[in-house]
Amino acid sequence: RKEVEQDPGPFNVPEGATVAFNCTYSNSASQSFFWYRQDCRKEPKLLMSVYSSGNEDGRFTAQLNRASQYISLLIRDSKLSDSATYLCVVNPDPGATNKLIFGTGTLLAVQP
Amino acid sequence: EADIYQTPRYLVIGTGKKITLECSQTMGHDKMYWYQQDPGMELHLIHYSYGVNSTEKGDLSSESTVSRIRTEHFPLTLESARPSHTSQYLCASSEWGNGSPLHFGNGTRLTVT
Repeated sequence: RKEVEQDPGPFNVPEGATVAFNCTYSNSASQSFFWYRQDCRKEPKLLMSVYSSGNEDGRFTAQLNRASQYISLLIRDSKLSDSATYLCVVNPDPGATNKLIFGTGTLLAVQP
Repeated sequence: EADIYQTPRYLVIGTGKKITLECSQTMGHDKMYWYQQDPGMELHLIHYSYGVNSTEKGDLSSESTVSRIRTEHFPLTLESARPSHTSQYLCASSEWGNGSPLHFGNGTRLTVT
């Protein structure tokens, strides 16, 4: 079983739609969680950290469910510019190594 | 926004050549990392460093080596390139604290013919 698993998609949605991605992680000791965005042939860029109480940044909402070991990302009012691969990222080590584990990503294609 | 730079952006080289991929950051970050990513696949950690003179192997075995003589510089070297080394190599840095997000350079796309 992979340490971080995501539905690869693609998710094809119309502009203005609401879309949600889930991600599961295997290590219950994991401490830090992030969503990154990666455009085609570009480097990953931090979208948002995921906090235990859930957090929101504009149209983006992240949730963490420690009991079920999953993270979610909700995008409201999708824009064409949201089209990208969304990477779920987990730090499985409670120590100081900060060695992040990346999921394979979920591809989102927002259609006009 | 973190400033982290990788050169070259693209490299096409013949089998057996020695290559060095450069990575520099101007944020004063102690931790630096090298990830390898094949098209459509996840990133795999191949090397990391906690600071000057600190280097560790990552989770994915790699024939490459790294060095950390200066805080801002974390070059990756392949002594003898092979077609199996063809991939994208992404350098990243982070602040010291556990749970700090990574800031990536724009990557080096390596093709070994």
